[in-house]
Amino acid sequence: QVQVVQSGAEVKKPGSSVKVSCKASGNTFSTYAISWVRQAPGQGLEWMGGIIPIFGTANYARKFQDRVTITANESTSTAYMELSSLRSEDTAIYYCARVGGGDSEGGWGYYFDYWGQGTLVTVSS
Amino acid sequence: QSVLSQPPSASGTPGQTVTISCSGSSSNIGSNTVNWYQQFSGTAPKLLIYSNNQRPSGVFDRFSGSKSGTSASLAISELQSEDEADYYCAAWDDSLNGWVFGGGTKLTVL
Repeated sequence: QVQVVQSGAEVKKPGSSVKVSCKASGNTFSTYAISWVRQAPGQGLEWMGGIIPIFGTANYARKFQDRVTITANESTSTAYMELSSLRSEDTAIYYCARVGGGDSEGGWGYYFDYWGQGTLVTVSS
Repeated sequence: QSVLSQPPSASGTPGQTVTISCSGSSSNIGSNTVNWYQQFSGTAPKLLIYSNNQRPSGVFDRFSGSKSGTSASLAISELQSEDEADYYCAAWDDSLNGWVFGGGTKLTVL
């Protein structure tokens, strides 16, 4: 059973940065992509970007690509999401999720199969 | 404004069947498989349906998914009070080169 554990809640000032960690158990960390999804209070889910640790290159949503950096450390099975130039609108719960995938009767597909518990980031002066 | 369109709310009485729709375009649902996530208040989302119509181990067969063209739907049969949650559809978008979600549907069991 895969477990995904994120770092704790953060309170940040506008203009600062936050770095959230995501540790996945199991010895297959490097070969699965990790994605980051955020949820503002009372709002829906929003994909921010992802990384495949074994390749090291990240892919970002256009909305965030100037402010977000996603990295991964294979030796510790931990992925990181750093968001800079924080503003009040960035107050949200940030989730990481493992991206599983494969072929099935429904077709070849990828999906977020294991999620972290979420990290609340509050941006306030 | 979400790339995938879902009704903001749905409701039903215990025992009924409820269907939640998800509408997209040729670059997302039309080209890729659809996944559904269930989220209870205050908890992380959970994978409910993957690859259009597949259930992960442990998901009851009361939940089923389907896809046709650029639309998908989630059906919940034999509705139970514990099904009250938010439901999100998601798919990869080839034009955006990223994942897109629906805005979510809040299911109420009356």
